Amino acid sequence: DQQVKQNSPSLSVQEGRISILNCDYTNSMFDYFLWYKKYPAEGPTFLISISSIKDKNEDGRFTVFLNKSAKHLSLHIVPSQPGDSAVYFCAAPISGSARQLTFGSGTQLTVLP
Amino acid sequence: NAGVTQTPKFRVLKTGQSMTLLCAQDMNHEYMYWYRQDPGMGLRLIHYSVGEGTTAKGEVPDGYNVSRLKKQNFLLGLESAAPSQTSVYFCATQEGGFTGELFFGEGSRLTVL
Repeated sequence: DQQVKQNSPSLSVQEGRISILNCDYTNSMFDYFLWYKKYPAEGPTFLISISSIKDKNEDGRFTVFLNKSAKHLSLHIVPSQPGDSAVYFCAAPISGSARQLTFGSGTQLTVLP
Repeated sequence: NAGVTQTPKFRVLKTGQSMTLLCAQDMNHEYMYWYRQDPGMGLRLIHYSVGEGTTAKGEVPDGYNVSRLKKQNFLLGLESAAPSQTSVYFCATQEGGFTGELFFGEGSRLTVL
């Protein structure tokens, strides 16, 4: 059973507007969350992360918000650019020594010029 | 500086054939992972290694074997390929003890007929 869920397979946004990608999780023991971005025919690349002791982390146009009570996080991209068109995965390290990541199913973001 | 290199990039197999995917890294990372990506399923962990000579099962290990004889290499083997193993395979590395960030290879697309 997926512990990290992305319920929107796709999202289309106009260039310059805000993109909001959502992620829900079921395991209240998760203490760290990451977002990865993936272009076609490439491997995923790390985008931004947030520790569970924070409720917001910002890096340029990208901001991740964490709502622990709702077990929900979101990635905001402002302003959205055509180059942001990609699949976005949220992920969390599961317990254990290796800190291996469990991933959501991904959201395809399309930014329209 | 290559980072994480996967070979081959593409392969077509017939049911029952065997093959090995090679992952090579030059980042001196302790941890290495093999994931598979399928439509609507996100990235699922097959096997991982926390150091040279060690391997462990992930979420979907059946039908696969792995070996980590050298720190820089992590091999994924399919002894008797099945159509259900048609997928894109990603190798990833992680600095030991760090919380979360994975560095991915470009992927290997495998088709089993």
